[in-house]
Amino acid sequence: TQLLEQSPQFLSIQEGENLTVYCNSSSVFSSLQWYRQEPGEGPVLLVTVVTGGEVKKLKRLTFQFGDARKDSSLHITAAQPGDTGLYLCAGARSSNTGKLIFGQGTTLQVKP
Amino acid sequence: ETGVTQTPRHLVMGMTNKKSLKCEQHLGHNAMYWYKQSAKKPLELMFVYSLEERVENNSVPSRFSPECPNSSHLFLHLHTLQPEDSALYLCASSSAGSLRNTIYFGEGSWLTVV
Repeated sequence: TQLLEQSPQFLSIQEGENLTVYCNSSSVFSSLQWYRQEPGEGPVLLVTVVTGGEVKKLKRLTFQFGDARKDSSLHITAAQPGDTGLYLCAGARSSNTGKLIFGQGTTLQVKP
Repeated sequence: ETGVTQTPRHLVMGMTNKKSLKCEQHLGHNAMYWYKQSAKKPLELMFVYSLEERVENNSVPSRFSPECPNSSHLFLHLHTLQPEDSALYLCASSSAGSLRNTIYFGEGSWLTVV
């Protein structure tokens, strides 16, 4: 059973385009995190969202946590080749543990 | 810069070998984790140590044996592995009880079983 559905799984776009990655679940999470991972390396934390409806911005990246804390989105504006990588969302079911449930990941390729 | 360091970064071992993966965190955290990442599969949680006690073992085969001697160090002892165990093994740490549940990953140990 996949508790976190991430879509799309693959995305190939041209430099300058906008894109949105979705992370959906039927379960409520106490927090949700987004990571970016490059081949052969560990995931690097981008953001953690905790409050329903929370919006966080990191330069050209905008993260939103759904009002019901069941879903999240990552929007990238004017994508750059340096944004290429695997994007992972991960949800925590409990507020007192760091155990995370990961989505399948979205592989993003931004072509110059 | 990473506060979680893993060694070795790459390991090739035969099915009859015994080897260990090492993880060290410099973040003052009190919980540590082993995750397995295989191709085309979500990250799988293997073991959780909180305050140096193992609090979770996600039905991992006994050929994987974790050890947490203190809150800064975590090992994964490997014995008689199978080729399907080839994967990227990620160590992570966090502050147990932190509201944001943020965990920080090491760069991973890429394991190939031949």
